[in-house]
Amino acid sequence: EVQLVESGGGLVQPGRSLRLSCAVSGFIFEDFAMHWVRQPPGKGLEWVSGINWNSGTVDYADSVKGRFTISRDNAKKSLDLQMNSLTSADTAFYYCVKDKGKAGSEFDSWGQGTLVTVSS
Amino acid sequence: QSALTQPRSLSGSPGQSVTISCTGTSNDVGGYNYLSWYQQLPGKAPTLIIYDVNKRPSGIPDRFSASKSGNTASLTISGLQAEDEADYYCCSYAGFWTWVFGGGTKLTVL
Repeated sequence: EVQLVESGGGLVQPGRSLRLSCAVSGFIFEDFAMHWVRQPPGKGLEWVSGINWNSGTVDYADSVKGRFTISRDNAKKSLDLQMNSLTSADTAFYYCVKDKGKAGSEFDSWGQGTLVTVSS
Repeated sequence: QSALTQPRSLSGSPGQSVTISCTGTSNDVGGYNYLSWYQQLPGKAPTLIIYDVNKRPSGIPDRFSASKSGNTASLTISGLQAEDEADYYCCSYAGFWTWVFGGGTKLTVL
């Protein structure tokens, strides 16, 4: 069974940083691209960032480009999202998401999400 | 990276069929077949119900079907059931390794 467990969310002040992590199990991690998708409370989904199987391709939504960094460690089966210069607009549930393939296609498994609240 | 356009809400009675539209552009919906649909039950994470425009993952009932024509994709739920009450999101690959979601449709089963 595929399991994706996010951690690292919490309350953070505007301008500060936070690092999210996702621990995975139940599938061969290095065979799949991975993503982060976020959802402000009561609002819709937004793709945030993705990384292909070997970290050779990464990209970001315009809203986070230059502030967020995605990374993965295939040996540790973990996915991270470093978030800097946070603003209230970054307040959301952040989901760790498994892609269907190596190179990026669609999202076939989701974690339960971790809530990031940016507030003073 | 503008969100795809979905109706904000729809409703239907048990047994009826409903269709949710998802409109984008030739740079996303019309340009790629990585078009997927997600169901989000209240308080839960989204789950994949349609991928590659019209394919169903194992375990998804055939009451869920989907298609695409030009820049518009559609999800049809036939034989509506109370358990189908949820938020539904479309998502398309938008090129250059980016993805875009629809704004979401809240489906109410009357």
